[in-house]
Amino acid sequence: QKEVEQDPGPLSVPEGAIVSLNCTYSNSAFQYFMWYRQYSRKGPELLMYTYSSGNKEDGRFTAQVDKSSKYISLFIRDSQPSDSATYLCAASGSNDYKLSFGAGTTVTVRA
Amino acid sequence: DADVTQTPRNRITKTGKRIMLECSQTKGHDRMYWYRQDPGLGLRLIYYSFDVKDINKGEISDGYSVSRQAQAKFSLSLESAIPNQTALYFCATSDPRDNQPQHFGDGTRLSIL
Repeated sequence: QKEVEQDPGPLSVPEGAIVSLNCTYSNSAFQYFMWYRQYSRKGPELLMYTYSSGNKEDGRFTAQVDKSSKYISLFIRDSQPSDSATYLCAASGSNDYKLSFGAGTTVTVRA
Repeated sequence: DADVTQTPRNRITKTGKRIMLECSQTKGHDRMYWYRQDPGLGLRLIYYSFDVKDINKGEISDGYSVSRQAQAKFSLSLESAIPNQTALYFCATSDPRDNQPQHFGDGTRLSIL
């Protein structure tokens, strides 16, 4: 069983909608949590990076981590067609270079 | 110019051939990684290197080898390619001072017939 589980979707929303993406993880040692965005034929690009539990906001993007339930979330407000991509969640432990990735969720924002 | 450059971007080859994928970076990072990406499986770590003299196996190293030629260069080889090694391959780098975020190249799409 993968340490990080992510619903692959696909997810299709109209422009302006809120996109909600979720992952669960099983390793209690995970301390660092990341969201990557991957456009077609491109490499993953770091979008959000959080440590331990809590929220982090960057423009239209909000990342949430709930360590008690081992739940990772990404919210995209006022979604745009340019947000259409695959979103990958990832996690790692303290002093641990290894990242465990979810399978990725493909999102399409319809104009 | 890209910070992490992978060559070639696409490669089609036959079963049994030896293949080398190359990665170079201008970020000055000590740590470099090779991943493969398959649909539904996400990214899986093949090998990683913390410096020129340090090479370590990841979770799926069988059938692969690597060489760290310099701080900026890390190559991945398939000694005798097989069809189930058809995948997207990504190189990544990280700075230990950043506490784990990794920066990826744009990948090599490898097809083995």
